[in-house]
Amino acid sequence: AQTVTQSQPEMSVQEAETVTLSCTYDTSESDYYLFWYKQPPSRQMILVIRQEAYKQQNATENRFSVNFQKAAKSFSLKISDSQLGDAAMYFCAYRSEYGGSQGNLIFGKGTKLSVKP
Amino acid sequence: DAGVIQSPRHEVTEMGQEVTLRCKPISGHDYLFWYRQTMMRGLELLIYFNNNVPIDDSGMPEDRFSAKMPNASFSTLKIQPSEPRDSAVYFCASRNTRGGEQYFGPGTRLTVT
Repeated sequence: AQTVTQSQPEMSVQEAETVTLSCTYDTSESDYYLFWYKQPPSRQMILVIRQEAYKQQNATENRFSVNFQKAAKSFSLKISDSQLGDAAMYFCAYRSEYGGSQGNLIFGKGTKLSVKP
Repeated sequence: DAGVIQSPRHEVTEMGQEVTLRCKPISGHDYLFWYRQTMMRGLELLIYFNNNVPIDDSGMPEDRFSAKMPNASFSTLKIQPSEPRDSAVYFCASRNTRGGEQYFGPGTRLTVT
């Protein structure tokens, strides 16, 4: 079974600085998707960025980018020029491309990011 | 697009009462998911549907929980009878087959006293 691990329960960053959130996963599959979701205090789950495993190029969305290392099964999120509105819980998630689990997202336990003014 | 719509946003009920949570997925999406989030257990998948058919309900805690999807635009999650340990935020999410992104509703915060 696939698992997703976020080893940093909490992180802190100064406003305008850069922070990297870590995520590792375990799978025997070769085709899958990886995601980062943001959950602010409003508790709405917001998709931040996605990565297809077959793509070597790292995904980027404005100030958010990932470092996808397929062989190492690592998928970190980098937030540049951090803003106060980035303060939230961040979840890493995995989705298989195959079989009965095709529909399901497997989430890590989350990293709580604080942004200091 | 209105996004995934959930109702009610908040529900407070007494132990033993029946609770029904509602979800309208994004139009055109053929997968629908129900999740539960608590501090202790994090995000848990309860059940998901594909084309209105339940595919995996292994996450449903017990027989007190049931979910239905009578058509492509509506799903319910019912708890009968409710217990204090059911207190949580319940999320509905949807996606389509071709896309990878799963979009979440705003959640229903359930409190059972």
